[in-house]
Amino acid sequence: EDQVTQSPEALRLQEGESSSLNCSYTVSGLRGLFWYRQDPGKGPEFLFTLYSAGEEKEKERLKATLTKKESFLHITAPKPEDSATYLCAVRPIKAAGNKLTFGGGTRVLVKP
Amino acid sequence: DVKVTQSSRYLVKRTGEKVFLECVQDMDHENMFWYRQDPGLGLRLIYFSYDVKMKEKGDIPEGYSVSREKKERFSLILESASTNQTSMYLCASRTDPSTGELFFGEGSRLTVL
Repeated sequence: EDQVTQSPEALRLQEGESSSLNCSYTVSGLRGLFWYRQDPGKGPEFLFTLYSAGEEKEKERLKATLTKKESFLHITAPKPEDSATYLCAVRPIKAAGNKLTFGGGTRVLVKP
Repeated sequence: DVKVTQSSRYLVKRTGEKVFLECVQDMDHENMFWYRQDPGLGLRLIYFSYDVKMKEKGDIPEGYSVSREKKERFSLILESASTNQTSMYLCASRTDPSTGELFFGEGSRLTVL
C-alpha cells in the first residue's frame, strides 16, 4: 500500500531560523512527488513537482529535494508569512487516474 | 486567473439530511476531484472524474456519490449525512494528468449534528 509520512507534525521557528521538513514515502514506483502549501481556511496551493532522485526545485525561501525514499522541504531564513501547513503528495506509477496520495502535513509557525 | 469555486464555505446539517456540495471550475479542466481533510489524516480522495459523466471511486467513497453533468461542475452528494462525515471538503481540478498540479477550491466545512 502506498504511504506518505510527514514529520514533524508541527514546527515552531523564530524568524530567520532555517529548518527542514521531511516527507517519507513508500510506493511501488514513483511518477512524481509534489509539495503544496495550505493557509488556514484555504485550499492547498501547488509549490513544486519533483520527478527523480537528485532533483531540486527552489522558490523564494523554499527548496525541495528528492531522494529515493524521501523528500525534504528546506525553509531558509523564514519569515512570518511562511507560516502555513505544508503538504507532500506522491503519484505512484500504478495509481488509477494518476491520483495523488497525500501525507498528513507539517504545520509551520514562524514567530517574529 | 485560475478559479475553483465551492458553493458553500460553511454548512450545518442534521443527521439523515441529504447534502449537496457543488464545485465549479472555469479552466476547462477535464479532471476533477473531491477530497476530505481531517486532522491527523491528511487529504483523502473520495471520488474523481476524468471527464463529463465519468466518475471513479477514490479511497473512501462509502456514504458519498457524485455527479458530473457538465465539464465545469462536479457535485458531491451525501445521501444521508452522518456525524462522522463532519469534515472539511475540498474540490480540485487538473488539466494535465502528467503533472501533479491540482487547483483547489477554498473548501466547504460541513458540520453534521
